[in-house]
Amino acid sequence: QVTLKESDPGILQPSQTLSLTCTFSGFSLSTYGVGVGWIRQPSGKGLEWLANIWWDDDKYYNPSLKNRLTISKDTSNNQAFLKITNVDTADTATYYCARIDGYFDYWGQGVMVTVSS
Amino acid sequence: DIVLTQSPATLSVTPGESVSLSCRASQGISTSIHWYQQKSNESPRLLIKYASQSISGIPSRFSGSGSGTDFTLSINRVESEDFSVYYCQQTYSLPFTFGSGTKLEIK
Repeated sequence: QVTLKESDPGILQPSQTLSLTCTFSGFSLSTYGVGVGWIRQPSGKGLEWLANIWWDDDKYYNPSLKNRLTISKDTSNNQAFLKITNVDTADTATYYCARIDGYFDYWGQGVMVTVSS
Repeated sequence: DIVLTQSPATLSVTPGESVSLSCRASQGISTSIHWYQQKSNESPRLLIKYASQSISGIPSRFSGSGSGTDFTLSINRVESEDFSVYYCQQTYSLPFTFGSGTKLEIK
């Protein structure tokens, strides 16, 4: 059974760094072809893909945020991470991690992140 | 970036009707399109992969078709649990992009 869960970073202030952890079970990030992605969704709006990390440590970022994003993984502990630097109120959203096996087939429950002064 | 345009933005239907939701890509993407359903306050759920391939556990009333630039998600005889938002997504090229969604609502 595949499950994923995002950590809750709490409320952030503008200019801080958002650190998210995705803890998963039921698959391994060392398996060929498998990856984990991060997607976010502002309240009442659509989905925005942020970044992917693959089994071979290949990484891809959304160019619109690339300079602010860092994705990484800890294969041994079944975790993936996303950092977003210099956050702003526009980064307020629900953040999801999802398994990639050609498509996002399993999603975490999402975590609401609020950036507020 | 590949832009996915979904139409209509909102579709009002009566339970029991059959519907078709459209997703048009700004360039050819073969069949690298996937459909997701998102109910209120829930995570998206994969419905269809690679334009027309079914997903285990998804009701057979959901089907997909298309290739190149034009894709369709069809729901045969809509049920009350189907009223939600539907997104298409392409994995043909990075950055992965989503359509803006179609909201299926009760008439």
